[in-house]
Formats: sequence, C-alpha cells, structure tokens
Amino acid sequence: QVQMVQSGSEMKKPGASVKVSCKASGYTFTSYAMHWVRQAPGQGLEWVGWINTNTGNPTYAQGFTGRFVFSLDSSVSTAYLQITSLKAEDTAVYFCARIRNDVFDYWGQGTLVTVSS
Amino acid sequence: QLVLTQSPSASASLGASVKLTCTLSSGHSSYAIAWHQQQPEKGPRYLMRLNSDGSHTKGDGIPDRFSGSSSGAERYLTISSLQSEDEADYYCQTWGTGIWVFGGGTTLTVL
Repeated sequence: QVQMVQSGSEMKKPGASVKVSCKASGYTFTSYAMHWVRQAPGQGLEWVGWINTNTGNPTYAQGFTGRFVFSLDSSVSTAYLQITSLKAEDTAVYFCARIRNDVFDYWGQGTLVTVSS
Repeated sequence: QLVLTQSPSASASLGASVKLTCTLSSGHSSYAIAWHQQQPEKGPRYLMRLNSDGSHTKGDGIPDRFSGSSSGAERYLTISSLQSEDEADYYCQTWGTGIWVFGGGTTLTVL
C-alpha cells in the first residue's frame, strides 16, 4: 500500500539547519510529484511548495524562498526538506504529501521541528 | 485571489449527520476542491475530490458515510451516522496555476 514515512522530531537552535526526510513506498516514486505542507502549532495547513520527482525541479510558495530547499534521492524513493538559518517561527509540523490529479492523496505522518534557544 | 473559506467550528450529535461548507472566492466558483480529515495528533487523510457539478472521487477506504456535494461556489462535505472518531479538523484544498491553497479548517465536535 502507498505510504510516506517521515523522519522523527527535531529540536534545533535558532540559526541551525534541519533536514526532514519523507520515504515513499507502494508506488513508483517518480510517477507523482511530492509536496510539502506546514502546520504551525494550533494553526491550519499551509502549502510550502513541491518538487518534480522526475526532474528534481523545485517550486516554492511565496514566503518559502531562500531558506527552504527541496531535494530527492530517487534511488531510495525519498524526498527531503531542508530549512536553513532556522527561526523560532519555523517551529511547526512539516508534512510531505503525494499529489495526484492536483489533490494530495497520501500524506506522511508529519515531522515536528522545534526551534528554540 | 484564490481563497477558501470555512467556518471555524461545527458540532453534531453521535449518530446524526453534519454538513460542512467550504466557499470558493469570487471568480473561482467552477473550481474543484479536495476534502481532508485530520484527527487529533495525526497527519491529514484525503477524503475526496469534489467537482463543481457535485461528482466526487473518494480516497482509499473512505466509508460511504462521507459524501460531497456542490452548489455555486459552495462545496459541502456531509458526514452521516456520526461516530466518535469523526471528531477531527476538516480542511478543504484547491489549486490554481502553480499554487495550492487550503481553507482555514473546521473543527468538528461530536457531542
């Protein structure tokens, strides 16, 4: 069955970097793009951007350019989200989600990133 | 601007039905949306894609108790025979040219 399994919670200091992984299984990884979605504490879902799993070309939503970087390792069917120069306001749960016909049809379980001094 | 509007909260009794609403912004009334459920402390779960004509395609394993309908710019999610596990946040989602958008979510309380 289709699954996306994300890496575990991270606690980082301001200014550090974090890399979240999302390992897909149960389907051909390069057949569907992968999106990233953020959920700040007590808040709703916010689209971060997506990566073309064929070409590796990333697209970032407004407000997520510069410090947010998407990457892939297709040999292990894994997508990555790296956030550099972390700020307290980056504290959130980050989800990966497969896109099919413009809808997010499978989601990862989420990775909590906490940024605190 | 493509915006989805949802009421922050809704409630209904165990065994009853509830209809949640997602409203598309002006000029976008023909857009399809998707509904997602997020139970407490869990990742979202895709429920269905809902078209402007009311036709919908459900995700894997979604019970028949969940259905969708449309009227103009409004998109609805109806949950019948409410169960305790239906207590969750429900988000609508749509897309435009190169962007994906979520509504603010509706917290459903099952009484």
